[in-house]
Amino acid sequence: GAVVSQHPSRVICKSGTSVKIECRSLDFQATTMFWYRQFPKQSLMLMATSNEGSKATYEQGVEKDKFLINHASLTLSTLTVTSAHPEDSSFYICSARDQAGAGSNSPLHFGNGTRLTVT
Amino acid sequence: SQKIEQNSEALNIQEGKTATLTCNYTNYSPAYLQWYRQDPGRGPVFLLLIRENEKEKRKERLKVTFDTTLKQSLFHITASQPADSATYLCALTNSGYALNFGKGTSLLVTP
Repeated sequence: GAVVSQHPSRVICKSGTSVKIECRSLDFQATTMFWYRQFPKQSLMLMATSNEGSKATYEQGVEKDKFLINHASLTLSTLTVTSAHPEDSSFYICSARDQAGAGSNSPLHFGNGTRLTVT
Repeated sequence: SQKIEQNSEALNIQEGKTATLTCNYTNYSPAYLQWYRQDPGRGPVFLLLIRENEKEKRKERLKVTFDTTLKQSLFHITASQPADSATYLCALTNSGYALNFGKGTSLLVTP
């Protein structure tokens, strides 16, 4: 089955530093990947849509200069949290849809998330 | 605004019983509705997709119904097992083809 690998699974950083999270589709290609954020006992909230070879599309309220997204290949998207603050501490999850799949309503494959703690 | 509502209270049931979870939505006209399972500290895992012209979909012990008039989907787990304990998420596609999720319902199956 389709596998999405996300790394690191857990990271602790100091306030003001930057953290990069990688998301790879291991056995399929994805022109589009999606980045979500989840706070405890809350729903997954879509942050941005990552498009291979072009700029990401950010959801309202998400700062594009703070959450840098790069989708340089059909199997890799990265999210960089710049100048992290304690309020950025959260669970970040990437997902992708196999572009060879059924279409825009086909299921998403999720990574196992990155727990970011900013001290 | 668009909303996906799931009963946020945890559902506790005894092993062997049927668990029924509810998903209601507003301001969507979905052609599809999806259900995912999420375990603590993990990403969601796809379970079932049901189309608007399907009243019911089954997969092993899982059954999903979809009523576009009531704007509601029901998710059933029959003969529940402790291993079914997890959070179950209802999801609908937004205009950008990403998924919007409900808050999820936590299910606890006790022996």
